[in-house]
Amino acid sequence: LAKTTQPISMDSYEGQEVNITCSHNNIATNDYITWYQQFPSQGPRFIIQGYKTKVTNEVASLFIPADRKSSTLSLPRVSLSDTAVYYCLVGDSMDSNYQLIWGAGTKLIIKP
Amino acid sequence: DTEVTQTPKHLVMGMTNKKSLKCEQHMGHRAMYWYKQKAKKPPELMFVYSYEKLSINESVPSRFSPECPNSSLLNLHLHALQPEDSALYLCASSHARGNYGYTFGSGTRLTVV
Repeated sequence: LAKTTQPISMDSYEGQEVNITCSHNNIATNDYITWYQQFPSQGPRFIIQGYKTKVTNEVASLFIPADRKSSTLSLPRVSLSDTAVYYCLVGDSMDSNYQLIWGAGTKLIIKP
Repeated sequence: DTEVTQTPKHLVMGMTNKKSLKCEQHMGHRAMYWYKQKAKKPPELMFVYSYEKLSINESVPSRFSPECPNSSLLNLHLHALQPEDSALYLCASSHARGNYGYTFGSGTRLTVV
């Protein structure tokens, strides 16, 4: 089972780029890396998913080095509304036992 | 429709009560999930339904009983719960089991008294 480690919390300021790193040293060959955002008393919201190298969408980028033992979620030009908990997930979509591991989450606080 | 709808949003129940949580999606997703989330913790997987069949039960106590009447609906029947079962219960769906592009509902905040 892959296990993920994230910083417990991070602070940044409006307009800055924020990078949150997740460690997954035991990631398996078939595992994908997915990030979710969660606001208080709401369900998590899918942000981005990747397998290797770099993935970019309209809200974030995901950087995965060649050894895939870590990944970095990059949020460009954050605003106050980006204050939330960010979860890193690692799992194998083809695993019949469906092992999916959620990280403990990183609480991101954006200051004015 | 790109949402997962959960009802009720809040529920207070006694330890002898029987209640049900409901979840509905109309995105054509064939995998549906129940998660339990305690404060300041990540969601914990409880059950997975794939094509209306229960495919994973993560050793959840029998006082939680899932049901998938059809591909759009997912219920969680609750009976004889304990105060420690108080949590946010989240429903999610995806195109297929193992697809991590989940859509989550807003959850039901359950308090057991």
